[in-house]
Amino acid sequence: QSVLTQPPSMSGAPGQRVTISCTGSSSNIGAHYDVHWYQQLPGTAPKLLIYDNTNRPSGVPDRFSGSKSGTSASLAITGLQAEDEADYYCQSFDSSLSRVLFGGGTKLTVL
Amino acid sequence: QLQLQESGPGLVKPSETLSLTCTVSGGSISRSSFYWGWIRQPPGKGLDWIGSIYYSGSTYYNPSLKSRVTISVDTSKNQFSLKLSSVTAADTAVYYCTKQLGGIAVGVDNWGQGTLVTVSS
Repeated sequence: QSVLTQPPSMSGAPGQRVTISCTGSSSNIGAHYDVHWYQQLPGTAPKLLIYDNTNRPSGVPDRFSGSKSGTSASLAITGLQAEDEADYYCQSFDSSLSRVLFGGGTKLTVL
Repeated sequence: QLQLQESGPGLVKPSETLSLTCTVSGGSISRSSFYWGWIRQPPGKGLDWIGSIYYSGSTYYNPSLKSRVTISVDTSKNQFSLKLSSVTAADTAVYYCTKQLGGIAVGVDNWGQGTLVTVSS
């Protein structure tokens, strides 16, 4: 069981908005460590989608956005497209464990 | 453009040591204030952080693997390496070498393509 909790699966129709949550604790997200998000398409390496809670690397569409509040963070995808069907992971750092953490991942299905 | 490439055996016997090397091209490990590291993904499962190393040699390891893991850097070859001892079938995974944006708590902006390592006799 991951220290960062994500819903195992989510789905949405094309054009819809989906939000993936990432829940941590006072020793990671709540301790002001940043949250980063990755998209992993089948058979490929993960790709950085959002870094430092809200920032998009160059080339990532603005349909993807991140937010953070308290001990949780969220990834929002608007205008859902078929190509967004992928696994999504959140990442942070835990001060008590002194380690990098990943959420368990969320499989997003575009209906 | 920075590129990372993993290399090493795709099959390792149980109880032996898994050894992988990551070759960095398009940039110098020793001139960069980044953490370089390893992340693995068992078949059909999520991402598992193994550990990270700064160019100076400072390391962070996953506590659950710390007794078996060594990550080292060879700046003369622009490479860093992973050694995981006493492997079992549970260590079968795709292993990715990575570069973080900066310090240990930041995101990973560069990934190798990944290499599948199977632990089997």
